[in-house]
Amino acid sequence: AQSVTQLGSHVSVSEGALVLLRCNYSSSVPPYLFWYVQYPNQGLQLLLKYTSAATLVKGINGFEAEFKKSETSFHLTKPSAHMSDAAEYFCAVSPSGYSSASKIIFGSGTRLSIRP
Amino acid sequence: GAGVSQSPSNKVTEKGKDVELRCDPISGHTALYWYRQSLGQGLEFLIYFQGNSAPDKSGLPSDRFSAERTGGSVSTLTIQRTQQEDSAVYLCASSTSTGTIYNEQFFGPGTRLTVL
Repeated sequence: AQSVTQLGSHVSVSEGALVLLRCNYSSSVPPYLFWYVQYPNQGLQLLLKYTSAATLVKGINGFEAEFKKSETSFHLTKPSAHMSDAAEYFCAVSPSGYSSASKIIFGSGTRLSIRP
Repeated sequence: GAGVSQSPSNKVTEKGKDVELRCDPISGHTALYWYRQSLGQGLEFLIYFQGNSAPDKSGLPSDRFSAERTGGSVSTLTIQRTQQEDSAVYLCASSTSTGTIYNEQFFGPGTRLTVL
């Protein structure tokens, strides 16, 4: 079974500061991991994904995440926050090794606020 | 090509009424998912359709909820005898099932349901 825990329902950083959103997963098989972003009044869009290739994954808008098996983590970072980064961020896990689509398990989300 | 579309975008109904929410997935996507996002909560999985297989209904919260997918494309989520706790944003997503085994999901903008 898979599960995802996002530490911190709300994170606030100053514009230009480092963004760090935490995600820990639990999976009985090697996982695929995702970060989705939801801007206000919009649907979710994929930010980046880990699919067992490089452990450091780069996504859109300057975000990246590092898969650390020893820590069962997949934290999302961005060196310098921008006002437009204010949104809800969801970490998600899916079991690998499936030949057909299977449901993704989402975390509860972290709301990122940016202070001017 | 067009993304996932959902209708209506907003629905206000009275307690006890039935509602139908519609999802048009991306053409060619064989997998379709419904999620519920309550205020301040994460995504709650409701139901998953994959091709002609029996749907995974494990997330439906009660027998008042049902969904169907006609012709392997459009899906309708029906909520009977709506309750105030059904108020939420209902999100639909679709994905392809072959090739991309990491099954990236593409989300629609959601339907905001308000039960008075």
